[in-house]
Amino acid sequence: AQSVSQHNHHVILSEAASLELGCNYSYGGTVNLFWYVQYPGQHLQLLLKYFSGDPLVKGIKGFEAEFIKSKFSFNLRKPSVQWSDTAEYFCAVGGFKTIFGAGTRLFVKA
Amino acid sequence: DGGITQSPKYLFRKEGQNVTLSCEQNLNHDAMYWYRQDPGQGLRLIYYSQIVNDFQKGDIAEGYSVSREKKESFPLTVTSAQKNPTAFYLCASSNLGWSYNEQFFGPGTRLTVL
Repeated sequence: AQSVSQHNHHVILSEAASLELGCNYSYGGTVNLFWYVQYPGQHLQLLLKYFSGDPLVKGIKGFEAEFIKSKFSFNLRKPSVQWSDTAEYFCAVGGFKTIFGAGTRLFVKA
Repeated sequence: DGGITQSPKYLFRKEGQNVTLSCEQNLNHDAMYWYRQDPGQGLRLIYYSQIVNDFQKGDIAEGYSVSREKKESFPLTVTSAQKNPTAFYLCASSNLGWSYNEQFFGPGTRLTVL
């Protein structure tokens, strides 16, 4: 069965700290991978996506994610977070269908 | 402006009543979706539709119903059979091929059953 697991449910960081949010999936076929973000009071929107090619994907606002096929992972990273990155982040995996993870709430202290 | 609109933003319902949530898109997308978002559970798929007059159950369809009479509209009815309807409901749309196409989301409707 297709599934997605996000390991951190809540993360609190200070500004300028580095961020890594874990995402692991379970699916036997070819996958397409997404990170979505929901800023307070805003629509859920796409942050970045991976379909094929370079496994290191760059998205908006300085975010990047690396697809490691052998580990079934697609972790989200940002070298230096800002207060405005406070949001909920969802990993999603598209296989037979698209499935979303439980989400990670990030709070960045100014 | 292209996008997805959902109404109302907040909705209160008494137990035993059916309620319909509106979702409209002007992105010319063929596929539309309804999700339920609960804290700590992420987005769970209720129903989806890939073409007018056709729709499929998602993972948690019990107690919900939908219709797709027009390409741009995909209303969701929360029936009295839904045991725990208080939640945040999100509508989304995409081009066909939902496993690889980006989904565009509406602002959501927060339903509270009193």
